[in-house]
Amino acid sequence: DTGVSQDPRHKITKRGQNVTFRCDPISEHNRLYWYRQTLGQGPEFLTYFQNEAQLEKSRLLSDRFSAERPKGSFSTLEIQRTEQGDSAMYLCASSTGASPLHFGNGTRLTVT
Amino acid sequence: SQQGEEDPQALSIQEGENATMNCSYKTSINNLQWYRQNSGRGLVHLILIRSNEREKHSGRLRVTLDTSKKSSSLLITASRAADTASYFCATDSGGYQKVTFGTGTKLQVIP
Repeated sequence: DTGVSQDPRHKITKRGQNVTFRCDPISEHNRLYWYRQTLGQGPEFLTYFQNEAQLEKSRLLSDRFSAERPKGSFSTLEIQRTEQGDSAMYLCASSTGASPLHFGNGTRLTVT
Repeated sequence: SQQGEEDPQALSIQEGENATMNCSYKTSINNLQWYRQNSGRGLVHLILIRSNEREKHSGRLRVTLDTSKKSSSLLITASRAADTASYFCATDSGGYQKVTFGTGTKLQVIP
């Protein structure tokens, strides 16, 4: 169990650019979740996958956001045409579906 | 949107004292979980209580659940400086599907 890995840890980008984050879950976990967290707030649910199927998406996930988990293993979260309001910590978590969530240490995005 | 709200938002205590934080939630739940987050890090699961349980203990942690009031509390006894962190409650309606988090309590334990 090497834990949930997220890459990069930090990303600074200019407004209007596209960014992509990667999450590698714990290998035997079939559930993968994405959350967004702003300073002083709790994690806000964005979406989750069961294997490669995306089962639920939050209204927070506008059409500029897309998440994929093509082979049911790692996942990517892409934000197109970034805005300053997208600045946040993006957290990934995984679970077996019968266990609590295991989180990565997040990707901190700063949009300038 | 946040399912739960923690109270207080911030708490500062001396080492050795007990810390109590409360969580209120809005909809029916299957279980309630508490997580801890150190600054700049991911969340770590602490304890889970099922909807048919009223109290649960794990080491220095004690969790209570009152489903009639839609509330839970987390008690940390004999606090240590290393307990300094933010604490979040989380709920899901079943099967760890859409797990939603509260707003968190920021705990500072002063040595």
